[in-house]
Amino acid sequence: DIQMTQSPSTLSASVGDRVTITCQASQDISTYLNWYQQKPGKAPKLLIFEASNLETGVPSKFSGSGSGTDFSFTISSLQPEDIATYYCQQYDKLPLIFGGGTKVEIK
Amino acid sequence: QVQLVQSGAEVKKPGASVKVSCKTSGYSFSNFDIHWVRQAPGQGLEWMGWMSANRGNTGYSQRFQDRVTITRDTSTGTAYMDLSSLTSEDTAVYYCARGQVELLDFWGQGTLVIVSS
Repeated sequence: DIQMTQSPSTLSASVGDRVTITCQASQDISTYLNWYQQKPGKAPKLLIFEASNLETGVPSKFSGSGSGTDFSFTISSLQPEDIATYYCQQYDKLPLIFGGGTKVEIK
Repeated sequence: QVQLVQSGAEVKKPGASVKVSCKTSGYSFSNFDIHWVRQAPGQGLEWMGWMSANRGNTGYSQRFQDRVTITRDTSTGTAYMDLSSLTSEDTAVYYCARGQVELLDFWGQGTLVIVSS
């Protein structure tokens, strides 16, 4: 199975900060990578698909980049409503594998 | 609007089975796949398997291969996930999600399954 290593596991930043999360695949997955946001007690929500494409209705402060094995996800200006856990997910090959998650907190 | 509504919480004894339903609406059921993902308390997301709602063919994570069965009722637009031989490690929230090209764009609200003697 493809392994997805996400870092950091926890991120504490101030309102207005630019925050970046990274995700590394154990093998080349081209751009077959999605990013999800999960707020406490809620189902995950798709934010970014195919590494860099913003899902319909998702604010443009969220962005993604990368290809091959190295990917990143950025929130351009952190707001209180962005407090959540963020997951990457590869879909190059089954089984679908999620990264371990990054919990984003306000400092 | 697209909705996936799951059945309610379950409490099961070790060794039992559980069947979780996922009723869809707001889109053509047969045009998309259904995936099942679970999340143990305080843990991350774990993919269990998928089903083509059109043809009914399935694929499962090897971790659950022998214990999970995903089915559907096309007449009602409902998918089902059956997990057998439950242990305490199966205590989790189980989610169904609509899949298109393995991106999971709409999710159910989750079903808590507690396994306890």
